[in-house]
This record gives sequence, C-alpha cells and structure tokens, in this order.
Amino acid sequence: SQTIHQWPATLVQPVGSPLSLECTVEGTSNPNLYWYRQAAGRGLQLLFYSVGIGQISSEVPQNLSASRPQDRQFILSSKKLLLSDSGFYLCAWSRTGEGYEQYFGPGTRLTVT
Amino acid sequence: AQKITQTQPGMFVQEKEAVTLDCTYDTSDQSYGLFWYKQPSSGEMIFLIYQGSYDEQNATEGRYSLNFQKARKSANLVISASQLGDSAMYFCASSGGSYIPTFGRGTSLIVHP
Repeated sequence: SQTIHQWPATLVQPVGSPLSLECTVEGTSNPNLYWYRQAAGRGLQLLFYSVGIGQISSEVPQNLSASRPQDRQFILSSKKLLLSDSGFYLCAWSRTGEGYEQYFGPGTRLTVT
Repeated sequence: AQKITQTQPGMFVQEKEAVTLDCTYDTSDQSYGLFWYKQPSSGEMIFLIYQGSYDEQNATEGRYSLNFQKARKSANLVISASQLGDSAMYFCASSGGSYIPTFGRGTSLIVHP
C-alpha cells in the first residue's frame, strides 16, 4: 500500500530564516506530487506540482521554491521566510496521469514569528 | 477552467441522521472527475469518494454516497447515519484534462450528540 510522509509536523521559525519541508511517498512509482498551503479556516492554495523528477510547475509567485530530487521526494524551500508564509502546508500525491484523486500527508503547521 | 461552488459554509446535523453537503461545478471538459475530501481538526485531508463524469450510477463508499446530477452540474455528498467523528471540513473538488484539481472553499459539518 502507498503511504505519504511529511515532516516536520510543526515548525516555528523567525522572519528571514530559511525553510525546508520534506515529503516522501512510498509504494508507488512516478507519482504526481503537490504542495498546498492552507491559511486558518480557508481553502487550499496550490503552490507547486510536479509530474516527474526535476519537473516543477509553480502556481503562485512567492518567495518559496520546490524541488524533486528523487522520484518520490518533494521538498519545499525558502531562503528567507516572511510573516505571510505562516500556514498549514500539505503535500499530496496522485497516480501518474491526469484526473486522479489525491492522497495527502499529515501536514506541517508553520508559524513565522 | 473549472469552478467548484460550495454554498454552505456550515452545517449541523444530529447524530444518526443523514446530511447532504452541496457542491456545484462548472467545467468545459467533456471528461472529468468529482471528488470529496474530509479534513478533521487534525488537518489531514482524507479522500472519501470519486465520481466519473461518464459513470451512470452514483458512487457509494460505505456511509458516503455522491448524488451526481450531471444536467444540474451538481455532486452532492450524502452522509448517512452521521457519527460524532464525521465533524470536520468537507471539500468538493473536480479534475478534468489537467494535473491540477480545483477545490471548493469547503463546508464545516458539526454533528451534535
């Protein structure tokens, strides 16, 4: 069976510090991978998605970046965090191809102080 | 482009009763999928049910069923015999010829004992 791991679960970082959130998927090959952000009480905002190693598409201009160094690894990064980067970050995967359901990780609660 | 509308920001239901969460969609795609996700207070998004646009029968998964009315472009989620653990945010989503699903803003469901 497939599982998705995401860490850390919670993170408190000062403004201007770097960020690295990691997501890994087990039990499947060549998944589509996604990073979402969710503000408190709000819907999902797609940040990045990837359909293969080294292929990253950005949906929202911001000071965040994403990388996919391995088939089942997706990393969200920032060189300098802003207060507005606070939120709940969710990683998700879906099967290769278009239009499939997504499976989400447990999420990371990021607070930028 | 796809659009998902969830008009009920909050719903209340008595334990053991059924509840319907509304979702309407707008798409120009001929083939598309409709999804429902549950997000409890822990934050993790849980995939509940899928309906394909060419499926003639309504999808069912345990106590969840999707009331699909293609002509009305609606994909309502019906939860039968509500349980306290059903209290959560519920998101409707659609995906057509794209890697990127479109999510609604969500409906908060509270189940009263």
